[in-house]
Amino acid sequence: QKEVEQDPGPLSVPEGAIVSLNCTYSNSAFQYFMWYRQYSRKGPELLMYTYSSGNKEDGRFTAQVDKSSKYISLFIRDSQPSDSATYLCAMGSGGYQKVTFGTGTKLQVIP
Amino acid sequence: SAVISQKPSRDICQRGTSLTIQCQVDSQVTMMFWYRQQPGQSLTLIATANQGSEATYESGFVIDKFPISRPNLTFSTLTVSNMSPEDSSIYLCSVRDQGQPQHFGDGTRLSIL
Repeated sequence: QKEVEQDPGPLSVPEGAIVSLNCTYSNSAFQYFMWYRQYSRKGPELLMYTYSSGNKEDGRFTAQVDKSSKYISLFIRDSQPSDSATYLCAMGSGGYQKVTFGTGTKLQVIP
Repeated sequence: SAVISQKPSRDICQRGTSLTIQCQVDSQVTMMFWYRQQPGQSLTLIATANQGSEATYESGFVIDKFPISRPNLTFSTLTVSNMSPEDSSIYLCSVRDQGQPQHFGDGTRLSIL
């Protein structure tokens, strides 16, 4: 079993939809959680990071962590075609040094 | 966050040759890392580049194949040696400062013929 599981998609949604992206993990030692966005031919770009269970909001993006279920989510409200990218979850322990990444979910927002 | 520049952005190489990838950061950073990204797979850490000393390699990666240098706090190189088609991948540099998550460069897309 992989430490981090992420559905590769692709996920296609109409413009304006609410998008839910998810990852599950098996390592109880993970303490912090991140979401990266990766456009084609670009490197991963940090979107959000959080230490704790619960929700963290930044504009149209909400990161949700449920440590008891070992489940994290990224919600995108009012999705835009510019949100079309691959979204990578990442998590780690011990001060951000050792990070485990999901395989990424490819999202396409259709105008 | 730091601005990270990687060179070259892409290359096509012959098998048996070597390529050195450069990573330049616009500010001093504590940690620098090298990753490999292959289609359908998660990012795989190759090594941590240590300033002034030998890099720390992850399981499955060795110095003879992936020599790394980090002469100062803003620059590192990764060499992919004696390349074979299996080395075709995207190679990414990332940096991290105290208490902060990693940030990535745009990567080097490498194809081996």
